Amino acid sequence: AQRVTQPEKLLSVFKGAPVELKCNYSYSGSPELFWYVQYSRQRLQLLLRHISRESIKGFTADLNKGETSFHLKKPFAQEEDSAMYYCALSGRESTGNQFYFGTGTSLTVIP
Amino acid sequence: ETGVTQSPTHLIKTRGQQVTLRCSSQSGHNTVSWYQQALGQGPQFIFQYYREEENGRGNFPPRFSGLQFPNYSSELNVNALELDDSALYLCASSLGLVTGYEQFFGPGTRLTVL
Repeated sequence: AQRVTQPEKLLSVFKGAPVELKCNYSYSGSPELFWYVQYSRQRLQLLLRHISRESIKGFTADLNKGETSFHLKKPFAQEEDSAMYYCALSGRESTGNQFYFGTGTSLTVIP
Repeated sequence: ETGVTQSPTHLIKTRGQQVTLRCSSQSGHNTVSWYQQALGQGPQFIFQYYREEENGRGNFPPRFSGLQFPNYSSELNVNALELDDSALYLCASSLGLVTGYEQFFGPGTRLTVL
């Protein structure tokens, strides 16, 4: 069963415009939700996680348990935000810890 | 502080062969996870090791096996390679078993199976 869905493979916005990267999940139990980012020629790194409830580089993400969503938002996109973004989920199951990543959204911010 | 390192960077094997990939955890981390990332896909969880014991496994066949050593470095072994095993293999380390911990990723090993 698909655990994490990112419906947009590609997303382009103009600099200064708001950006929203969608993430929906399917999971029974209490998952942890994350956004990871991969900038060009860099390794995958954590952007933010729902338990921290913090804003990183102007990005925020709210966990909506009713809609099972964890969308990533930024009010004013910058060129340096261009990257691949992955939504991820982790949880404790009978077989141990499990981790699920979405297929990623490639964000391009147009100058 | 040393980040996660992986070796080799690239590897070419033929179908049916066996391969071993290596990972050194970030300093102070005792937990390591391995992922397979096919082209255009997100990372897929293979398994996780904590203090030398497997602590979680994804939907991968038994020919994918692993080891973690006392210094917390790790190996991923794949037997009887198939063409579909061609992918980027990522290693990630974290502070412990708590699923909410941040994972620190290595640069990956690109495996090509011919």
